Amino acid sequence: ETGVTQSPTHLIKTRGQQVTLRCSSQSGHNTVSWYQQALGQGPQFIFQYYREEENGRGNFPPRFSGLQFPNYSSELNVNALELDDSALYLCASSQGGAGVDTQYFGPGTRLTVL
Amino acid sequence: QKEVEQNSGPLSVPEGAIASLNCTYSDRGSQSFFWYRQYSGKSPELIMFIYSNGDKEDGRFTAQLNKASQYVSLLIRDSQPSDSATYLCAVRRGNTPLVFGKGTRLSVIA
Repeated sequence: ETGVTQSPTHLIKTRGQQVTLRCSSQSGHNTVSWYQQALGQGPQFIFQYYREEENGRGNFPPRFSGLQFPNYSSELNVNALELDDSALYLCASSQGGAGVDTQYFGPGTRLTVL
Repeated sequence: QKEVEQNSGPLSVPEGAIASLNCTYSDRGSQSFFWYRQYSGKSPELIMFIYSNGDKEDGRFTAQLNKASQYVSLLIRDSQPSDSATYLCAVRRGNTPLVFGKGTRLSVIA
């Protein structure tokens, strides 16, 4: 157990809908990163939040957006869902700052878009 | 384009044998290297990280790094059926995002 929690566990949406995924970081961690993992692929970086500010973004369109709250929990929002958005969405928390910053993953949210 | 390459497998080894998982990366500036284990339907679990050339041992696991060859490996000694999973290699430059390979599926045969 990493202490990182995500909700919901599973979600089924239809194309065009919007979805919000949630993540609570491990105690003492101020950085949250979101990844998308399609079947048979490695996780792909979506974006990262550090102390409530986005400080890095991968190659994902603007319909993927996020927030980080003062308690360092985070949300991932996806608008106008497409079939290709079906994937496991992973949240990872870390301490941030200098040095080797190890990321610990939550259990993930499995999103299915029909 | 920063890339991390792994053989997708499956890599099949008998119980008790040594499993050797390999990973190459394209970004010479990569500074830290991670191995995650992912069971089917679950999230990645950190096994170990390494950032200096050479070997790093943790129980049955040994990570090996050769920055000149841009190569990192994970050895699993005395492999057990419970080690059957997908092993993800991830690399990082500074505090930039992790770049993952597609993973190698390991099957340990009892």
